[in-house]
Amino acid sequence: DMKVTQMPRYLIKRMGENVLLECGQDMSHETMYWYRQDPGLGLQLIYISYDVDSNSEGDIPKGYRVSRKKREHFSLILDSAKTNQTSVYFCASSLSLGGQDTQYFGPGTRLLVL
Amino acid sequence: GEKVEQHESTLSVREGDSAVINCTYTDTASSYFPWYKQEAGKSLHFVIDIRSNVDRKQSQRLIVLLDKKAKRFSLHITATQPEDSAIYFCAARDYNQGKLIFGQGTKLSIKP
Repeated sequence: DMKVTQMPRYLIKRMGENVLLECGQDMSHETMYWYRQDPGLGLQLIYISYDVDSNSEGDIPKGYRVSRKKREHFSLILDSAKTNQTSVYFCASSLSLGGQDTQYFGPGTRLLVL
Repeated sequence: GEKVEQHESTLSVREGDSAVINCTYTDTASSYFPWYKQEAGKSLHFVIDIRSNVDRKQSQRLIVLLDKKAKRFSLHITATQPEDSAIYFCAARDYNQGKLIFGQGTKLSIKP
């Protein structure tokens, strides 16, 4: 059963705290993504990971970093969260980047930074 | 890089009618255009795609048209049903970087 999981699903943090969002997939997909979704802006790409320890900035990487130590697991880290990082964060995976492969999305994490 | 514009932010149609959602893109080299659906409070899932070697693709009640000359593609949902209510996102694959560029989304409401 092809699945992308995200933990936690909901998170409230205070400004300046560190945030760790976790994503897992059971499809052995090479490529994984982190997006954020804000009303009227669609999906914005934060980071792409091509495989273990092979990560690349997306369109809005500032204030975020990522870690991928295992193919099935991709983490998004916010060091010292800011209120403008309140958003819904989606992780996705696809078989590869070079092809035209379908992206499978996780259920999302709603992050509120106070 | 590629930019994708989704022209209708909201769309309301009567149940049984057809709905059309339009998108434009900027990079003539783009060759892959998927559509994703997001139901209320849920995640996105793939619904249909089209590649640049064809100008029309159909999957049941979904039809995608691609006009490469105008750099425009559209999603047609025929015989709409209540479960078609959702936000639909178009996307184009950036030729150079391989990533998907998403439109802003169209919220489709199906009226009884």
